[in-house]
Amino acid sequence: DAGITQSPRHKVTETGTPVTLRCHQTENHRYMYWYRQDPGHGLRLIHYSYGVKDTDKGEVSDGYSVSRSKTEDFLLTLESATSSQTSVYFCAISESGQPTDTQYFGPGTRLTVL
Amino acid sequence: AQSVTQLGSHVSVSEGALVLLRCNYSSSVPPYLFWYVQYPNQGLQLLLKYTTGATLVKGINGFEAEFKKSETSFHLTKPSAHMSDAAEYFCAVSRAGGTSYGKLTFGQGTILTVHP
Repeated sequence: DAGITQSPRHKVTETGTPVTLRCHQTENHRYMYWYRQDPGHGLRLIHYSYGVKDTDKGEVSDGYSVSRSKTEDFLLTLESATSSQTSVYFCAISESGQPTDTQYFGPGTRLTVL
Repeated sequence: AQSVTQLGSHVSVSEGALVLLRCNYSSSVPPYLFWYVQYPNQGLQLLLKYTTGATLVKGINGFEAEFKKSETSFHLTKPSAHMSDAAEYFCAVSRAGGTSYGKLTFGQGTILTVHP
C-alpha cells in the first residue's frame, strides 16, 4: 500500500468555522490531488499540486484553498465551512502526473458541517 | 471536455453470476480509462487501466474490461461474482496530451451487491 495518511479521519464542525485537512505521503511523489466524494457525483477534483508551492484549481474549487510547503504534505483549507461542504474528502498521489499514471488514494476524511 | 457515465447506480447479482458494470465516456481526444474499486470505509484502489495497445485489459481479482472506441465504452466484467466483490466501482478518464497533470474525471459510481 502507498504510504498516504489523512488527518483527521473524522471531523464535525459548525458553519462558519475554518477547517484544515492534512494529507501526508511517504512516497516522495510529486503530484498530489484533493477530491470530494458525494453520493451520485462520484469523486470531483478540488485542487491539485504539481510540486512544492505549485497548485491549481480543479472543477469544484470554490470555498477551498490549498497549500504545499513540503513534498510530503498537502493541506486543504475550508476558510469558512458551509453545510454544502459536508462530504468525504480523499487525497491522492501520483508519481509522474502523466495521464496514464495510477493515482493512489488515502483512507479519506469524513467531514460534517452542522 | 471529457465526461464519464456509469449506467446503473446499483447492480445486484448472485454469487457465481456474471458481473457487468457499464461505463461510457466522452472525450475529444483519445482517452485513457481506469476502473477503481472502493471497499466500505476505505480509499479507492486501482482495478485496471487502459492506456494503449490491447483493448482487452485484465486487472486484479479476476476483473477485466474492454475498450471499444466505436461504442465509447469501457465496461467492467467478471465471470463469476464472489461475496468479497461487494463494493463501489468507479470508472474514470484522463486526457492525453498537454498539461493534464494526470487529472481524473470520475463517473458517478456503481454499488455492487452480491447475494449468497
